[in-house]
Amino acid sequence: DTEVTQTPKHLVMGMTNKKSLKCEQHMGHRAMYWYKQKAKKPPELMFVYSYEKLSINESVPSRFSPECPNSSLLNLHLHALQPEDSALYLCASSPSGGRTDTQYFGPGTRLTVL
Amino acid sequence: GQNIDQPTEMTATEGAIVQINCTYQTSGFNGLFWYQQHAGEAPTFLSYNVLDGLEEKGRFSSFLSRSKGYSYLLLKELQMKDSASYLCAVSGSNDYKLSFGAGTTVTVRA
Repeated sequence: DTEVTQTPKHLVMGMTNKKSLKCEQHMGHRAMYWYKQKAKKPPELMFVYSYEKLSINESVPSRFSPECPNSSLLNLHLHALQPEDSALYLCASSPSGGRTDTQYFGPGTRLTVL
Repeated sequence: GQNIDQPTEMTATEGAIVQINCTYQTSGFNGLFWYQQHAGEAPTFLSYNVLDGLEEKGRFSSFLSRSKGYSYLLLKELQMKDSASYLCAVSGSNDYKLSFGAGTTVTVRA
């Protein structure tokens, strides 16, 4: 089983709203990732959690706030977003985050900020 | 820095073969990944190469030459469902981080 699940599939929100994206995996992976992907562009890394600790924050604005409640779950809390934040948000996981790990991606949440 | 280059678009006919090239210049090398991504969907893992040579998986094969900083993904017996973007990604000297190419959009025509 190499499944990563994400909810919701689609999200429309206003600039004053607060919402959360959720990601779950049951592969026993200990590294989890958030990526942002704009149309016809490659995924851009935002955050990495390793063993439930934040390991990488790629200078992401504070209106994006990640959370890793346990080794299977990863959340991304959104607040006061801008229209340019509209994108496909992908979650991924890998066994340990090592350099030869394969990252497995979820189906993504299509976010539209009005 | 990291530099990953692949063609933007390729078009081929159903049943044909297409080869997608990827060249890279990275600080450190711990393997090269190919992912397939259909429009609006998640990238799906296709292959991983860390040693020189050809890895074959059914209709898809991936080749790596570390000395040349070069890889290709070969898609044989093309089907309409193979129309997608193909991403080349390199694992360099840092844990967790993949450097992605911009992706090659393959269009398969009947």
